[in-house]
Amino acid sequence: EVQLVESGGGLVQPGGSLRLSCVTSGFTFDDYGMHWVRQVPGKAPEWVAGITWNSDNIGYGDSVKGRFTISRDNAKNSLYLQMNSLRSEDTAFYFCTRDSYYASGSYLHYFDFWGQGIQVTVSS
Amino acid sequence: EIQMTQSPSTLSASVGDRVTITCRASQSISSWLAWYQQKSGEAPKLLMYKASTLQSGVPSRFSGSGSGTEFTLTISSLQPDDFATYYCQQYDASPTFGQGTRLEVK
Repeated sequence: EVQLVESGGGLVQPGGSLRLSCVTSGFTFDDYGMHWVRQVPGKAPEWVAGITWNSDNIGYGDSVKGRFTISRDNAKNSLYLQMNSLRSEDTAFYFCTRDSYYASGSYLHYFDFWGQGIQVTVSS
Repeated sequence: EIQMTQSPSTLSASVGDRVTITCRASQSISSWLAWYQQKSGEAPKLLMYKASTLQSGVPSRFSGSGSGTEFTLTISSLQPDDFATYYCQQYDASPTFGQGTRLEVK
């Protein structure tokens, strides 16, 4: 069974930093690209960042470019999101998601498995 | 950024009804479109990809069609478990989602 479990969320002040982690199991992690998607309750999901299976290709949504960094450690079956210069508009649930394509060189795909999400709140 | 627009925003229907949700892209995305179902407090669940391919385990009452800029998701006979919010998502470019369609009990 595919499982994605996020951690590292919480309350942070504007301008602060936070690092999210996602530990995975139930599939061969280094065969798949991975993504972070966020959602404010009652609003549509927003793609935040994606990374290919070998980290060769990385992309970011316009609203987080230059502030967030996605990375992965295939030896630990883990995905990360380093979030710097946080703003109130970054407040959301953050989901770790699996890319739908096997060993693809692109991250322009859909998401076939999602974690349960973790809350990030940016407020003073 | 490719904009995705869904209609209607809210749809009221009854068990057994046939319902259709529309999703329009601001530019052609070929068939690179996915549909998700989301229930309150849960993560989105993949229903369909490549506009009309049903994800494994999804009931056959769900179907999708369209290409280019206009797409539809149809539920042939609504079941109680289908009342939820539905999102389309394009993956022709950096992924973007529609604003959602809330399917509620009439």
